[in-house]
Amino acid sequence: GAVVSQHPSWVICKSGTSVKIECRSLDFQATTMFWYRQFPKQSLMLMATSNEGSKATYEQGVEKDKFLINHASLTLSTLTVTSAHPEDSSFYICSARDGTGGTGANVLTFGAGSRLTVL
Amino acid sequence: DAKTTQPTSMDCAEGRAANLPCNHSTISGNEYVYWYRQIHSQGPQYIIHGLKNNETNEMASLIITEDRKSSTLILPHATLRDTAVYYCIVRVLNSGNTPLVFGKGTRLSVIA
Repeated sequence: GAVVSQHPSWVICKSGTSVKIECRSLDFQATTMFWYRQFPKQSLMLMATSNEGSKATYEQGVEKDKFLINHASLTLSTLTVTSAHPEDSSFYICSARDGTGGTGANVLTFGAGSRLTVL
Repeated sequence: DAKTTQPTSMDCAEGRAANLPCNHSTISGNEYVYWYRQIHSQGPQYIIHGLKNNETNEMASLIITEDRKSSTLILPHATLRDTAVYYCIVRVLNSGNTPLVFGKGTRLSVIA
């Protein structure tokens, strides 16, 4: 089945630094990927839609200059948290759909998530 | 996408069937019912989806009422590893360029 890989699975950084999280579709191509954020004991909240070869679409309230998204290829999208602060500490999750057909075409597959802790 | 309503939490004894309900009274004719679950500190995992007929796979069964206004996810023999938050989501099939919108889900605790 479709597999989405995220890296790193966890990262700790100092306040003011930038952190890059990678999301890869391992066995399929994804023209669209989605980035979510999840705070403790809360549900997933959509941050942005990442489109291959074009600009990402951000949800209301999400700062596009702080959360930089690059979808440079059909198998890779990256989320960079710039000038991170403690309030950016969260669980970041990406997802993608295998659009090549079969059951996978109807299902969004999620990565395992990346836990960011900003000190 | 139509809104869903789920109980906040449920308990189930290990080895028993876990029945998780979901109300989706405003579901449209072209919207499917999807179930995902999220085990602690992991990404959501797809379980099953259906339109109007009951569905079964290796993980679970999905029972959808005839009027499609509600459904039940059944885990036939719950194990401790099934402890997770279960999300019921309705959306149009194959709408790959639209994201999943998550509600609060049901926190299922399987007890030994």
